[in-house]
This record gives sequence, C-alpha cells and structure tokens, in this order.
Amino acid sequence: AQSVTQLDSQVPVFEEAPVELRCNYSSSVSVYLFWYVQYPNQGLQLLLKYLSGSTLVKGINGFEAEFNKSQTSFHLRKPSVHISDTAEYFCAVSDKRDGGFKTIFGAGTRLFVKA
Amino acid sequence: DGGITQSPKYLFRKEGQNVTLSCEQNLNHDAMYWYRQDPGQGLRLIYYSQIVNDFQKGDIAEGYSVSREKKESFPLTVTSAQKNPTAFYLCASSLSGHGYTFGSGTRLTVV
Repeated sequence: AQSVTQLDSQVPVFEEAPVELRCNYSSSVSVYLFWYVQYPNQGLQLLLKYLSGSTLVKGINGFEAEFNKSQTSFHLRKPSVHISDTAEYFCAVSDKRDGGFKTIFGAGTRLFVKA
Repeated sequence: DGGITQSPKYLFRKEGQNVTLSCEQNLNHDAMYWYRQDPGQGLRLIYYSQIVNDFQKGDIAEGYSVSREKKESFPLTVTSAQKNPTAFYLCASSLSGHGYTFGSGTRLTVV
C-alpha cells in the first residue's frame, strides 16, 4: 500500500540556519514525489517535484530535495531560511494505478523560523 | 493567468442546510479533486474526477456530492448528512500526475 510519513510535525529553526524536513514513503511501484508549501488560510503551492532523471531537484524559494530510492526518502532542504519561510510543508507521493494517478499526502511539517 | 478559483472564501452553514462550494479552472486539466483539511491535519480526499461526466469517491465521501458537467467546473455540495462539516476545503487540478494546482480554499463553518 502507498503511504507517506513526515517524520517531524514541527521544526523550529533560527533565521539564516539550514533546515531539513524529512519525508519517507512506501509504494510498490515507481513514484512521483512532491513537496508543497501552505501559508495560513491559503491553498497549497507546489515547491518542487521529482518525476525522473536527476535525483537532486531544485524548486522555488531556494528549496531543494533529494530522491533516495534505497532509503525511500525525499527530504526537503534549504541552506539558509528566512522568516518568510514559516509555513506548513507537505510531502506527497503519486503513483499510477487503475488508469490514473493516486496521490497521498503526508500529515505536514510546520516550519517555524525564529528571529 | 491560468489557475483555479474557489468561491466563496468563507461560508456559513446552518444545521440541516445543503451548501455548494464552487471550483473553476482554466488550466485545461483533465483531473480535478476535492480535499478536506482539519486543523493540524493533512489533506483527506473527498471526491475526484479524471474526465468530464465521471467521478469517484475518495476516502471520506459520505455526506458530500459532486458533479462534473464541464471540464472547467467541479462543484462540491456539502449535504445535511455530513455531521461535522466545519473545515477548510481545497480544490485542485492536475495534468497526468505531474503535480497539483490548488485553489485558495473555502472555509466552511456551521452556525
């Protein structure tokens, strides 16, 4: 069965420090992987995605993520965070089944950047 | 600009009343989705539609109904059978599994 686990529900970090938000998944087939960001009272916005090719993917706002097939992980990183990065981050995995794509979202990680 | 428009942004429902949430997209995406988000929780799938005139139940479809008469539109009705409808509702669309585009959400409150 398909599942997504975000290992940290909250991550506090000081401004300009590096951050890593962890995501592990399970699936029996090839997957597409995504990270989304949600600011308060807004919808989700796609940060980055892994479909195929290079395992290191770069996204918007200076974020990047690395697909590790052996570890079944897709951790999100940023070398230096800003106050404006405070938001909730969702990892998602999508695979093709029954003629369409099924996507599962993780429970989310709340990133809190402190001055 | 292409995108998804959800309306209204805030909606108040009385006990026993049906309400309809609007979702319109101009991205020419085939697939559309409705998710429910409760405080501190992830997204739960209510209904999805891969093509016009076809839709499937998600994980929490009870008390909800949808229609897909046009490619651009995927309205969600919250019926009186939904006993705990207070939540943030998100509509999304996608093209061949390459990631979702989300609307800005509708916050529904029972009064």
